[in-house]
Amino acid sequence: KQEVTQIPAALSVPEGENLVLNCSFTDSAIYNLQWFRQDPGKGLTSLLLIQSSQREQTSGRLNASLDKSSGRSTLYIAASQPGDSATYLCAVNTGNQFYFGTGTSLTVIP
Amino acid sequence: GAVVSQHPSWVICKSGTSVKIECRSLDFQATTMFWYRQFPKQSLMLMATSNEGSKATYEQGVEKDKFLINHASLTLSTLTVTSAHPEDSSFYICSATGQGDNEQFFGPGTRLTVL
Repeated sequence: KQEVTQIPAALSVPEGENLVLNCSFTDSAIYNLQWFRQDPGKGLTSLLLIQSSQREQTSGRLNASLDKSSGRSTLYIAASQPGDSATYLCAVNTGNQFYFGTGTSLTVIP
Repeated sequence: GAVVSQHPSWVICKSGTSVKIECRSLDFQATTMFWYRQFPKQSLMLMATSNEGSKATYEQGVEKDKFLINHASLTLSTLTVTSAHPEDSSFYICSATGQGDNEQFFGPGTRLTVL
């Protein structure tokens, strides 16, 4: 069974810092991996989708990488802003089912 | 942790028929449920947010008359795809959150194939 782990569980940084969120999964047979943002009481917002054949995806200040063989993905956020404060989730899609990580709660301090 | 189930896990139907997908919170009361879908090679997208006892709030571009959402109890929400067509073939996933709780718990998803 696929297990998805996110480290750290919580992170607090001053505004302007670059930061990295980590996601690891136990079974490399994945269809794709997604990074989501979750604001309190809201549904998920998709940030980046990486297909299993891809190594990375970029959108604005966000860059996500995927190393399928080692079961790892990272989400890099450049020049963090207070508006980036949220919970970030990664999800692995095996083609039949989604497996979600437990999330990293990010706080960016002005 | 809390468990959310979906039924069925997969369904194949003919074009023009309606399909109902159930989302249940098994060990907690879900005041809010979210419905998502993912088309092949695309991101998971939020379709609608439903609060128990009230009408669902649909995201822009999602037809509320086509995707009927009912959240009649604190443990069950249903999504009915009416007059399904092949372009509705997708992966549908729900999530649920309890009262005063920001943590979301996700169902395993339902794969819909419309022939």
